[in-house]
Amino acid sequence: RKEVEQDPGPFNVPEGATVAFNCTYSNSASQSFFWYRQDCRKEPKLLMSVYSSGNEDGRFTAQLNRASQYISLLIRDSKLSDSATYLCVVILGAPASGGSYIPTFGRGTSLIVHP
Amino acid sequence: DADVTQTPRNRITKTGKRIMLECSQTKGHDRMYWYRQDPGLGLRLIYYSFDVKDINKGEISDGYSVSRQAQAKFSLSLESAIPNQTALYFCATSDFGTSGYNEQFFGPGTRLTVL
Repeated sequence: RKEVEQDPGPFNVPEGATVAFNCTYSNSASQSFFWYRQDCRKEPKLLMSVYSSGNEDGRFTAQLNRASQYISLLIRDSKLSDSATYLCVVILGAPASGGSYIPTFGRGTSLIVHP
Repeated sequence: DADVTQTPRNRITKTGKRIMLECSQTKGHDRMYWYRQDPGLGLRLIYYSFDVKDINKGEISDGYSVSRQAQAKFSLSLESAIPNQTALYFCATSDFGTSGYNEQFFGPGTRLTVL
């Protein structure tokens, strides 16, 4: 089982729709979680961190479920400009606890928003 | 000017040739990383460096070597290129942050084709 798994999609949604992606991770000791966005043939860029209590940034909401070992990203009122690949990133944490601070990337979920 | 630059941006070479990809950053970060991205496989870590004297292998280091010439420069070499090293290569930087991981900033990528 891969350490970090994402449904590759593509998710094809109309403008204005709400869409959600999940990302599962295998190591229960994982400590930090992030969502990155990657446009076609461009470099990944940080979209948002994922906090234990959940967090929101405009139309984007990120949540963490430690019991089931997954994080989610919800996009409301989708825009054409949201079309991209969304990468989930998981960090194992401090070396003293068996981690390394090295991020593990999921393979990404492709989102296509159409008019 | 971009904070993380990569040269060359595109390169076509032949099997058996030695290739060097260069990365420079002006962000003042100690940590630098090299990734490769293949369709459907996501980002995979090749090597990383937490400071000038620190070099570590990543998930897929075989066939690659690196050099950290200065805090701002991190080069990736393919000693004898082979066709399955055809991929999009990204350099990234980050600082330590209070939790051990901070946002990674990626260069624009180098598209390498090995014939």
